[in-house]
Order: sequence, then structure tokens, then C-alpha cells
Amino acid sequence: SQTIHQWPATLVQPVGSPLSLECTVEGTSNPNLYWYRQAAGRGLQLLFYSIGIDQISSEVPQNLSASRPQDRQFILSSKKLLLSDSGFYLCAWSGTGTGIYEQYFGPGTRLTVT
Amino acid sequence: DQQVKQNSPSLSVQEGRISILNCDYTNSMFDYFLWYKKYPAEGPTFLISISSIKDKNEDGRFTVFLNKSAKHLSLHIVPSQPGDSAVYFCAARATTSGTYKYIFGTGTRLKVLA
Repeated sequence: SQTIHQWPATLVQPVGSPLSLECTVEGTSNPNLYWYRQAAGRGLQLLFYSIGIDQISSEVPQNLSASRPQDRQFILSSKKLLLSDSGFYLCAWSGTGTGIYEQYFGPGTRLTVT
Repeated sequence: DQQVKQNSPSLSVQEGRISILNCDYTNSMFDYFLWYKKYPAEGPTFLISISSIKDKNEDGRFTVFLNKSAKHLSLHIVPSQPGDSAVYFCAARATTSGTYKYIFGTGTRLKVLA
């Protein structure tokens, strides 16, 4: 069965510091991968999605970037964090075959920028 | 531009009664619709989905209805249980050149009262 991992679970970082959040998927190959952010009291905002290695699409201009160095690894980064980057970050995957529709989420990372 | 809208931020229902959560969308090209349940500090978990070519899908206590002409879908939970208390997100899938993007609403917080 498929499993999606995210780490760390929680992170407190000062403004201006770098960020690296990691997501890995097991039990599937060539998944579509996604990064979402849920700000306090808000819905899920799609940040990035990827259909393959080094193929990243950005949904909103922002202070973040994403990379996919391996098929089942997705990394969210920032060179200098802003206060507004605080939120709950979620990684998700979906299949690419016919008849596969659902998207599955990892446990999330709570980021607090101080 | 919010393509998927959940206009009710919260809903309270007595245990044993029906819960009806609503969702509206604007993009007629969405081909699949999904409902997720989310507890605090956890990733959303998939509940039920419906293809755009259907108008109803049922799974146990959960039924999703789709009205394409009104661009409206709803999730019915019968009977509601205290464990159903969570935030519910509706999502719509757009397919572009074989890439799936999932657009989420802002969520409805359901509280089932014992």
C-alpha cells in the first residue's frame, strides 16, 4: 500500500532563516506530487505541483520554491522566511493511471515563523 | 478568484440527524469532485468522490450529490455521529494535458452535538 511521509512535524524558525521541508512517497511510482498550505482559519492553497522529476509548476508567486530531485521525493524550500510563511504545510500525491482519482495527504508540518 | 466555494464556515447538527454540507464551483471543466475530512494538525483524509458524469454516489452513511447545471455539490451524512465532528473540504479536479490539479474550498467546520 502507498504511504506518504512528511518531516519535520513541527518547526519554529526565525524570520530570515532558510527552510527545507521534505516529503516522500512509498508504494507507488511516478506519482503527481503537490504542496499545499493551510493558513490559520483558511482553506487549502495549492502552492506547487509536479508531474515528474525536475518538473515543477508554481501556482502562486511567493517566497517559496519546490524541487523534485527523485521520483518520490518532493522538497519545499525558502532562502529567507517571512512571518506570512507561517502555516500548516501539506504534501499530497495522486496517481496518474486511468481510474485513479483520489489525492492522498501526508500528516503535515506546522511551521511557525517568529 | 475562488473556483470552489464553501459558503458556510460552520454547521452544528444533533447526533442522529442529517448533516448537509454544500459546495459551489465555477469551472465547468472540473471532471471529478471529492470530499475530505480533516482533524486539527492532521492531513485531510479522503471520504467520497463523484465523477462529473454522475449525479449521486453513496458509501455507507455518506452520500454526495452533484447538480452540474447549478454547479453545486453536497455531502449528506446520515445519521450524524459525534466522531464526524471535523472540518470538511470539498475539492474539484481539473485535468490539463494529463496533469491533475485539485482545487479546494475553504472548508466547513461540522460539529455534531451528543
